[in-house]
Amino acid sequence: GQNIDQPTEMTATEGAIVQINCTYQTSGFNGLFWYQQHAGEAPTFLSYNVLDGLEEKGRFSSFLSRSKGYSYLLLKELQMKDSASYLCAVTDSNYQLIWGAGTKLIIKP
Amino acid sequence: IAGITQAPTSQILAAGRRMTLRCTQDMRHNAMYWYRQDLGLGLRLIHYSNTAGTTGKGEVPDGYSVSRANTDDFPLTLASAVPSQTSVYFCASSDSGDRGADTQYFGPGTRLTVL
Repeated sequence: GQNIDQPTEMTATEGAIVQINCTYQTSGFNGLFWYQQHAGEAPTFLSYNVLDGLEEKGRFSSFLSRSKGYSYLLLKELQMKDSASYLCAVTDSNYQLIWGAGTKLIIKP
Repeated sequence: IAGITQAPTSQILAAGRRMTLRCTQDMRHNAMYWYRQDLGLGLRLIHYSNTAGTTGKGEVPDGYSVSRANTDDFPLTLASAVPSQTSVYFCASSDSGDRGADTQYFGPGTRLTVL
Protein backbone atom coordinates (compact mmCIF):
# COMPACT_ATOMS: atom_id res chain seq x y z
CA GLY A 1 0.00 0.00 0.00
CA GLN A 2 0.88 3.64 -0.17
CA ASN A 3 1.91 5.41 2.99
CA ILE A 4 3.06 8.83 4.11
CA ASP A 5 4.42 9.20 7.66
CA GLN A 6 4.98 12.43 9.53
CA PRO A 7 4.92 13.26 13.26
CA THR A 8 1.51 14.11 14.66
CA GLU A 9 2.59 17.14 16.65
CA MET A 10 5.71 19.21 17.34
CA THR A 11 6.41 22.13 19.64
CA ALA A 12 9.03 24.83 19.07
CA THR A 13 9.97 28.24 20.43
CA GLU A 14 9.51 31.56 18.68
CA GLY A 15 12.71 32.56 16.88
CA ALA A 16 14.06 29.00 16.78
CA ILE A 17 14.42 26.48 13.94
CA VAL A 18 12.28 23.37 13.47
CA GLN A 19 12.52 20.44 11.07
CA ILE A 20 9.42 18.46 10.15
CA ASN A 21 10.16 15.05 8.64
CA CYS A 22 8.16 13.07 6.12
CA THR A 23 8.82 9.53 4.92
CA TYR A 24 6.90 7.92 2.08
CA GLN A 25 6.26 4.61 0.38
CA THR A 26 4.32 5.06 -2.85
CA SER A 27 3.83 3.35 -6.20
CA GLY A 28 6.04 5.59 -8.24
CA PHE A 29 7.12 9.14 -7.54
CA ASN A 30 6.45 12.33 -9.47
CA GLY A 31 7.16 14.94 -6.84
CA LEU A 32 6.59 15.87 -3.21
CA PHE A 33 4.60 18.82 -1.93
CA TRP A 34 4.46 20.62 1.39
CA TYR A 35 1.32 22.55 2.29
CA GLN A 36 0.53 24.75 5.28
CA GLN A 37 -2.91 24.66 6.86
CA HIS A 38 -3.98 27.06 9.59
CA ALA A 39 -6.78 25.87 11.86
CA GLY A 40 -10.16 26.18 10.16
CA GLU A 41 -8.65 27.19 6.84
CA ALA A 42 -7.74 25.56 3.54
CA PRO A 43 -4.29 24.12 2.79
CA THR A 44 -1.97 26.49 0.93
CA PHE A 45 1.05 25.53 -1.16
CA LEU A 46 4.52 25.93 0.36
CA SER A 47 7.00 23.96 -1.73
CA TYR A 48 7.54 21.31 -4.38
CA ASN A 49 10.52 18.96 -4.76
CA VAL A 50 11.00 16.53 -7.62
CA LEU A 51 14.82 16.26 -7.65
CA ASP A 52 17.10 15.41 -4.72
CA GLY A 53 18.40 18.31 -2.72
CA LEU A 54 17.38 21.43 -0.91
CA GLU A 55 14.93 24.06 -2.15
CA GLU A 56 15.06 27.34 -0.24
CA LYS A 57 12.29 29.90 -0.17
CA GLY A 58 12.78 32.62 2.39
CA ARG A 59 12.45 31.25 5.93
CA PHE A 60 11.24 27.89 4.60
CA SER A 61 13.36 25.17 2.99
CA SER A 62 12.40 21.72 1.79
CA PHE A 63 14.73 18.77 1.25
CA LEU A 64 14.21 15.57 -0.73
CA SER A 65 16.04 12.24 -0.91
CA ARG A 66 14.27 9.97 -3.39
CA SER A 67 16.51 6.97 -2.63
CA LYS A 68 15.55 7.15 1.05
CA GLY A 69 11.89 8.08 0.49
CA TYR A 70 12.45 11.04 2.77
CA SER A 71 11.78 14.74 2.90
CA TYR A 72 11.89 17.46 5.50
CA LEU A 73 10.54 20.97 5.83
CA LEU A 74 12.82 23.38 7.67
CA LEU A 75 11.35 26.51 9.19
CA LYS A 76 13.77 29.19 10.42
CA GLU A 77 13.24 32.22 12.64
CA LEU A 78 9.92 30.87 13.79
CA GLN A 79 7.06 33.30 14.22
CA MET A 80 3.79 32.83 16.08
CA LYS A 81 1.95 32.89 12.76
CA ASP A 82 3.80 29.69 11.78
CA SER A 83 1.58 27.78 14.20
CA ALA A 84 -0.31 25.53 11.79
CA SER A 85 -0.45 22.02 10.42
CA TYR A 86 2.08 21.08 7.75
CA LEU A 87 0.97 18.50 5.21
CA CYS A 88 3.32 16.32 3.18
CA ALA A 89 1.93 14.91 -0.08
CA VAL A 90 3.49 12.72 -2.78
CA THR A 91 2.42 12.44 -6.42
CA ASP A 92 2.40 8.78 -7.42
CA SER A 93 2.88 7.14 -10.81
CA ASN A 94 -0.75 7.96 -11.76
CA TYR A 95 -0.23 11.62 -10.81
CA GLN A 96 -2.57 11.26 -7.86
CA LEU A 97 -1.62 13.06 -4.66
CA ILE A 98 -1.17 10.84 -1.60
CA TRP A 99 -1.48 12.88 1.60
CA GLY A 100 0.07 12.49 4.99
CA ALA A 101 -2.08 13.14 8.06
CA GLY A 102 -0.18 16.36 8.79
CA THR A 103 2.05 17.65 11.57
CA LYS A 104 0.56 20.17 13.96
CA LEU A 105 3.25 22.71 14.86
CA ILE A 106 2.80 24.65 18.09
CA ILE A 107 4.94 27.76 18.55
CA LYS A 108 5.53 28.98 22.10
CA PRO A 109 6.73 32.49 23.00
CA ILE B 1 -14.42 35.69 -7.99
CA ALA B 2 -10.74 34.96 -7.42
CA GLY B 3 -9.67 31.34 -7.14
CA ILE B 4 -12.07 28.72 -5.85
CA THR B 5 -15.34 29.25 -4.04
CA GLN B 6 -17.40 26.68 -2.17
CA ALA B 7 -20.95 26.78 -0.88
CA PRO B 8 -22.32 26.44 1.66
CA THR B 9 -19.68 27.34 4.26
CA SER B 10 -21.31 24.98 6.73
CA GLN B 11 -24.41 22.84 6.89
CA ILE B 12 -26.24 20.64 9.38
CA LEU B 13 -28.14 17.89 7.61
CA ALA B 14 -30.54 15.19 8.73
CA ALA B 15 -29.53 11.65 7.87
CA GLY B 16 -31.16 10.40 4.69
CA ARG B 17 -31.36 13.83 3.08
CA ARG B 18 -29.81 14.67 -0.27
CA MET B 19 -27.19 17.41 -0.36
CA THR B 20 -25.10 19.07 -3.07
CA LEU B 21 -21.90 20.91 -2.24
CA ARG B 22 -20.99 23.49 -4.82
CA CYS B 23 -17.54 24.35 -6.12
CA THR B 24 -16.60 26.96 -8.72
CA GLN B 25 -13.17 28.02 -9.97
CA ASP B 26 -12.25 30.93 -12.22
CA MET B 27 -8.65 29.93 -13.01
CA ARG B 28 -9.60 27.87 -16.07
CA HIS B 29 -7.89 24.87 -14.51
CA ASN B 30 -8.42 21.55 -16.24
CA ALA B 31 -8.46 19.34 -13.17
CA MET B 32 -10.69 19.51 -10.10
CA TYR B 33 -10.87 17.42 -6.96
CA TRP B 34 -13.06 16.76 -3.94
CA TYR B 35 -11.46 15.79 -0.63
CA ARG B 36 -12.74 15.12 2.82
CA GLN B 37 -10.62 15.89 5.85
CA ASP B 38 -11.16 14.12 9.15
CA LEU B 39 -9.12 14.55 12.30
CA GLY B 40 -6.04 12.32 12.29
CA LEU B 41 -6.66 10.97 8.80
CA GLY B 42 -5.50 13.77 6.56
CA LEU B 43 -7.03 14.57 3.20
CA ARG B 44 -8.74 11.73 1.37
CA LEU B 45 -9.70 12.01 -2.29
CA ILE B 46 -13.39 11.35 -3.01
CA HIS B 47 -13.69 12.05 -6.75
CA TYR B 48 -11.70 13.92 -9.33
CA SER B 49 -12.03 15.25 -12.84
CA ASN B 50 -9.02 15.66 -15.14
CA THR B 51 -10.99 17.68 -17.68
CA ALA B 52 -14.54 18.83 -18.35
CA GLY B 53 -16.79 15.91 -19.22
CA THR B 54 -14.74 13.28 -17.38
CA THR B 55 -14.73 12.12 -13.76
CA GLY B 56 -12.97 9.45 -11.75
CA LYS B 57 -13.19 7.76 -8.37
CA GLY B 58 -10.74 8.49 -5.62
CA GLU B 59 -9.95 6.67 -2.40
CA VAL B 60 -13.39 7.04 -0.73
CA PRO B 61 -16.07 7.45 -3.43
CA ASP B 62 -18.94 5.44 -1.89
CA GLY B 63 -22.02 7.53 -1.12
CA TYR B 64 -20.86 10.45 -3.28
CA SER B 65 -21.31 11.43 -6.91
CA VAL B 66 -19.93 14.25 -9.05
CA SER B 67 -20.42 15.81 -12.45
CA ARG B 68 -18.28 18.09 -14.59
CA ALA B 69 -20.48 19.71 -17.20
CA ASN B 70 -18.08 22.61 -17.76
CA THR B 71 -14.58 23.75 -16.78
CA ASP B 72 -15.60 25.96 -13.87
CA ASP B 73 -18.06 23.89 -11.81
CA PHE B 74 -17.63 20.61 -9.98
CA PRO B 75 -20.55 19.83 -7.64
CA LEU B 76 -20.43 16.98 -5.14
CA THR B 77 -23.71 15.22 -4.26
CA LEU B 78 -24.52 13.07 -1.26
CA ALA B 79 -27.57 11.09 -2.39
CA SER B 80 -28.62 9.98 1.10
CA ALA B 81 -26.44 11.41 3.84
CA VAL B 82 -25.19 9.27 6.73
CA PRO B 83 -23.50 10.38 9.98
CA SER B 84 -20.12 8.97 8.83
CA GLN B 85 -20.13 11.65 6.11
CA THR B 86 -19.73 14.32 8.78
CA SER B 87 -16.48 15.99 7.76
CA VAL B 88 -14.87 19.06 6.26
CA TYR B 89 -15.02 18.96 2.47
CA PHE B 90 -12.45 20.73 0.32
CA CYS B 91 -12.62 21.34 -3.38
CA ALA B 92 -9.34 21.89 -5.22
CA SER B 93 -8.14 22.52 -8.74
CA SER B 94 -4.91 22.26 -10.70
CA ASP B 95 -3.85 23.22 -14.18
CA SER B 96 -3.33 19.60 -15.22
CA GLY B 97 -4.56 16.33 -13.76
CA ASP B 98 -2.95 13.27 -15.22
CA ARG B 99 -0.60 15.27 -17.35
CA GLY B 100 1.64 16.58 -14.65
CA ALA B 101 2.36 17.06 -10.98
CA ASP B 102 0.86 20.51 -10.62
CA THR B 103 0.12 22.48 -7.50
CA GLN B 104 -3.42 22.08 -6.24
CA TYR B 105 -5.29 25.16 -5.07
CA PHE B 106 -7.98 24.73 -2.45
CA GLY B 107 -11.32 26.32 -1.77
CA PRO B 108 -12.22 27.47 1.77
CA GLY B 109 -14.06 24.26 2.62
CA THR B 110 -17.56 23.20 3.66
CA ARG B 111 -18.11 21.92 7.18
CA LEU B 112 -20.88 19.30 7.00
CA THR B 113 -22.57 17.70 10.00
CA VAL B 114 -24.97 14.81 9.44
CA LEU B 115 -27.22 14.01 12.38
